[in-house]
Amino acid sequence: AQKITQTQPGMFVQEKEAVTLDCTYDTSDPSYGLFWYKQPSSGEMIFLIYQGSYDQQNATEGRYSLNFQKARKSANLVISASQLGDSAMYFCAMRGGGQGGKLIFGQGTELSVKP
Amino acid sequence: DTAVSQTPKYLVTQMGNDKSIKCEQNLGHDTMYWYKQDSKKFLKIMFSYNNKELIINETVPNRFSPKSPDKAHLNLHINSLELGDSAVYFCASSQDTSGGSSYEQYFGPGTRLTVT
Repeated sequence: AQKITQTQPGMFVQEKEAVTLDCTYDTSDPSYGLFWYKQPSSGEMIFLIYQGSYDQQNATEGRYSLNFQKARKSANLVISASQLGDSAMYFCAMRGGGQGGKLIFGQGTELSVKP
Repeated sequence: DTAVSQTPKYLVTQMGNDKSIKCEQNLGHDTMYWYKQDSKKFLKIMFSYNNKELIINETVPNRFSPKSPDKAHLNLHINSLELGDSAVYFCASSQDTSGGSSYEQYFGPGTRLTVT
């Protein structure tokens, strides 16, 4: 069975500092994708970054980067230079093969950025 | 143009009633999904349709019935609403469903259902 685990229910970070949100996963599929979504207090789900299981390099998108350690089955999100607008819930999700494309989500991490 | 839209955004109703939530996507995607986000913010897949065909039904009570009249629309009808159905329901769509595909799922704004 596939599973995503986010062990940090809540985190605080000072504005302009970097923060790492943890995500570990479990799957027996050789081909899978890992996603991070942001959910601000307004409720919408915003796609941030994607990492494929066969990708050799860590994904980056602006201030977001994904620290992918395949052997450890971890896909941590790193946000550099935190901004007040980064305060939100962050979800790690996985899509495996033969699963109809469904996303399996972690429990989420609520990030609060302090001024 | 909104990529994935849902109506209504808020729905307040009494136990026992029947209600529907509509979803439309203008992205040309073949696959659409319904997710439920509970009060603890946990998101779980309910259904998925690919080109009007049901491909995922995740042990959802049969009071929930999805309907896809065409590949751009996926509606969710809920019969005999219960208190436990209170949640935020998200519709989503995707270009590709293969495991390693980089295509993300686009989510609608969500429908907050409150059953009293």
